Amino acid sequence: GESVGLHLPTLSVQEGDNSIINCAYSNSASDYFIWYKQESGKGPQFIIDIRSNMDKRQGQRVTVLLNKTVKHLSLQIAATQPGDSAVYFCAETKASGGSYIPTFGRGTSLIVHP
Amino acid sequence: GAVVSQHPSWVICKSGTSVKIECRSLDFQATTMFWYRQFPKQSLMLMATSNEGSKATYEQGVEKDKFLINHASLTLSTLTVTSAHPEDSSFYICSARDPNHRGVGEQFFGPGTRLTVL
Repeated sequence: GESVGLHLPTLSVQEGDNSIINCAYSNSASDYFIWYKQESGKGPQFIIDIRSNMDKRQGQRVTVLLNKTVKHLSLQIAATQPGDSAVYFCAETKASGGSYIPTFGRGTSLIVHP
Repeated sequence: GAVVSQHPSWVICKSGTSVKIECRSLDFQATTMFWYRQFPKQSLMLMATSNEGSKATYEQGVEKDKFLINHASLTLSTLTVTSAHPEDSSFYICSARDPNHRGVGEQFFGPGTRLTVL
């Protein structure tokens, strides 16, 4: 199940289950959204992105859903594996002077039990 | 994908000393690099945007005189934490945008540098 700790919400799942990680973003003008995976002691790793003119995008074992009406983003991981255990961050970006600078969300810690 | 490295991966220093952290793009030229700070169990907070050949742009609340950023070449940006204090202990992460990469908003992140100030 999902719990909210002092700083980082945690989602615990069993190996093989599907995981859904949610994120609320703040800027309705954001035009690009990204999900990152961060393992302990490492930098974030790109997983999947979606433009604001889309509502769904699929990758390998992952799907991102975007609901602009409620400013909500979700990451679905199919057949979750122990190697998926990490902290997942959503990021929203908006073009600024030719660059897209991501603003990171709170993060969710995913724990996959074998 | 593009590779970004950081050096050192961890550093322990005494209070009052200065520490320099390097961020390199290994297989692409990055006109823009970004520096983030991350405290335990928290999200990444953007500190500054580093532009090659010009002054860095700092986020509100980040002291530019304390966190000196130099982006002297298209593959190297450095962050110097001057007169470090224990409250500066954190995980510092850089990222770079590859202008030739498919995803226009995609950042490539370094592995991070763990700074501990005693």
